[in-house]
Amino acid sequence: ETGVTQSPTHLIKTRGQQVTLRCSSQSGHNTVSWYQQALGQGPQFIFQYYREEENGRGNFPPRFSGLQFPNYSSELNVNALELDDSALYLCASNAGSNEAFFGQGTRLTVV
Amino acid sequence: GESVGLHLPTLSVQEGDNSIINCAYSNSASDYFIWYKQESGKGPQFIIDIRSNMDKRQGQRVTVLLNKTVKHLSLQIAATQPGDSAVYFCAERDSGGSNYKLTFGKGTLLTVNP
Repeated sequence: ETGVTQSPTHLIKTRGQQVTLRCSSQSGHNTVSWYQQALGQGPQFIFQYYREEENGRGNFPPRFSGLQFPNYSSELNVNALELDDSALYLCASNAGSNEAFFGQGTRLTVV
Repeated sequence: GESVGLHLPTLSVQEGDNSIINCAYSNSASDYFIWYKQESGKGPQFIIDIRSNMDKRQGQRVTVLLNKTVKHLSLQIAATQPGDSAVYFCAERDSGGSNYKLTFGKGTLLTVNP
């Protein structure tokens, strides 16, 4: 167990809807990152939050947004869902430059 | 080799053999490298890491080798066990940036035959 928990584990949404995914970081970790992993691919960096501020963003459109809370838990929000958004969404937390620990992911299916 | 779409590079070994998984990275400014293991339906699990000022690091049954000249990373697993069957990813990080973004390779599927 990594101490990083994500909810829900599975989710089905309709194209055009909005979704919120949640992540609880490992205790003491002030940095959280979100990744999208399409089937058969490696995880792709979406963005990172450090002390409640966005601290870097990958090549994802603005309809992907996030929040980090004072207790370092985090949300990933995706608006106007598209079929290609179907993927495993991973949250990872770390403390400073140390290794990142991943949650088990949320499997999002857009139909 | 390169993977296209759903076709991951694969490695099939017999239980007890040693496994070597290779990875080519792209950013010469990357100074931190990690190997992750991902089992079906789970998130990536940290295996071992190495910083760019080292060329070898050993863990329990695993060794990572780093060749910065050719931007190549390898993971060696000794006495491979059926529980080692998974997809293995290398990841690189450029710590010169303002964040700790990881860039992942496409992964290698390791199958261990009993």
